[in-house]
Amino acid sequence: GAVVSQHPSWVICKSGTSVKIECRSLDFQATTMFWYRQFPKKSLMLMATSNEGSKATYEQGVEKDKFLINHASLTLSTLTVTSAHPEDSSFYICSVESGSFNYGYTFGSGTRLTVV
Amino acid sequence: AQSVSQHNHHVILSEAASLELGCNYSYGGTVNLFWYVQYPGQHLQLLLKYFSGDPLVKGIKGFEAEFIKSKFSFNLRKPSVQWSDTAEYFCAVTPGGSYIPTFGRGTSLIVHP
Repeated sequence: GAVVSQHPSWVICKSGTSVKIECRSLDFQATTMFWYRQFPKKSLMLMATSNEGSKATYEQGVEKDKFLINHASLTLSTLTVTSAHPEDSSFYICSVESGSFNYGYTFGSGTRLTVV
Repeated sequence: AQSVSQHNHHVILSEAASLELGCNYSYGGTVNLFWYVQYPGQHLQLLLKYFSGDPLVKGIKGFEAEFIKSKFSFNLRKPSVQWSDTAEYFCAVTPGGSYIPTFGRGTSLIVHP
């Protein structure tokens, strides 16, 4: 089945620094990847749709200059949180479009970001 | 570590059939429960969620789910499916004191017209 690797699983950074999160599809080519964010007491919220070779499509209210998404290859998409703020502390998770239907776990394991 | 099990990996139904997708979790404390749907080529969408209160939760598009604490289950139901319900369905659980979700493996539902 589809295997998605997300790294790092958790990270602590200082305010003002940048953090890069990687999402890799290990056994298939993914033209589309989704980035979500989880807030306490909320459901997952879509941040952006990452398309290989083109600019990401951001959801309303998500700052594209702050959350930089790069999908340079069919197996890797990265989310960079720039000039991190404590309010950016959250759980970020990627998901990969694996064709008509997935046959396994299409979510990354998630990244817990804490900005201090 | 907690886990979420979705026992039905692939379900094939005819239109108007009734649907029940199982979701069981292994966490013993307070939990928040979610069902998400992902249509082909689209991103994940929330179907319904349970935080507290009435264990029978109604969501969008005629879906409902029942939280049975004694069985650690949160099964998704729909009395009459439509072709447009063809999608991938994910159950997710977060411990009450956390917001980090654990996802089930997902269930692929195909509805024949």
